[in-house]
Amino acid sequence: QLQLQESGPGLVKPSETLSLTCSVSGGSISNNNYYWGWIRQPPGKGLEWIGSVYYSGSTYYNPSLKSRVTISVDTSRDQFSLKLSSVTAADTAVYYCAVDSTGGWPFWGQGVLVTVSS
Amino acid sequence: DIQMTQSPSTLSASVGDRVTITCRASQSISRWLAWYQQKPGKAPKLLIYEASTLESGVPSRFSGSASGTEFTLTISSLQPDDFATYYCQQYNSYPYTFGQGTKLEIK
Repeated sequence: QLQLQESGPGLVKPSETLSLTCSVSGGSISNNNYYWGWIRQPPGKGLEWIGSVYYSGSTYYNPSLKSRVTISVDTSRDQFSLKLSSVTAADTAVYYCAVDSTGGWPFWGQGVLVTVSS
Repeated sequence: DIQMTQSPSTLSASVGDRVTITCRASQSISRWLAWYQQKPGKAPKLLIYEASTLESGVPSRFSGSASGTEFTLTISSLQPDDFATYYCQQYNSYPYTFGQGTKLEIK
């Protein structure tokens, strides 16, 4: 059973870069059946897909965030990462990492709240 | 982007009731539709994928169906553990998009 765990700062200043890492256990990030994705949820609101990455490094991003997002993968550490630049208060959200598969998103991290504030 | 219109936004029901939540896609997504259950402070939990395939371990009172661009999630007999928020998600094409959610409340 795959397990995912997000890590990173819970507080980021406006205009700075949000950086999160997702560690995968119980399986390999090089599994060619899966993409690895990020989703966020502002407090009290719905879910927004941020982007997904394949173990080879190929990526897909939400056009609404594309100019500010970078998702990368480190197969040696079974980790993938999210960077979101030039953050504002509107980027305050719970950020989840999850498995992106043809069978939906079956495995999720617990989520990490990132607050953008000075 | 494919828009997912989910209804109702809120649903009040009682234990034992049969309830249905609907999601309509703005264009064809074939059957690439998933349903999730989310409880406060928790990550979403996958219930159904490919419109009607029950995820392993999910109770059989949950079912999904599809007709064209309209998708439904049915809970045949509500249990106390089912009161939560439900989301649909299309994963036919990027950018993946979600419905706005349905909060299922106790009547």
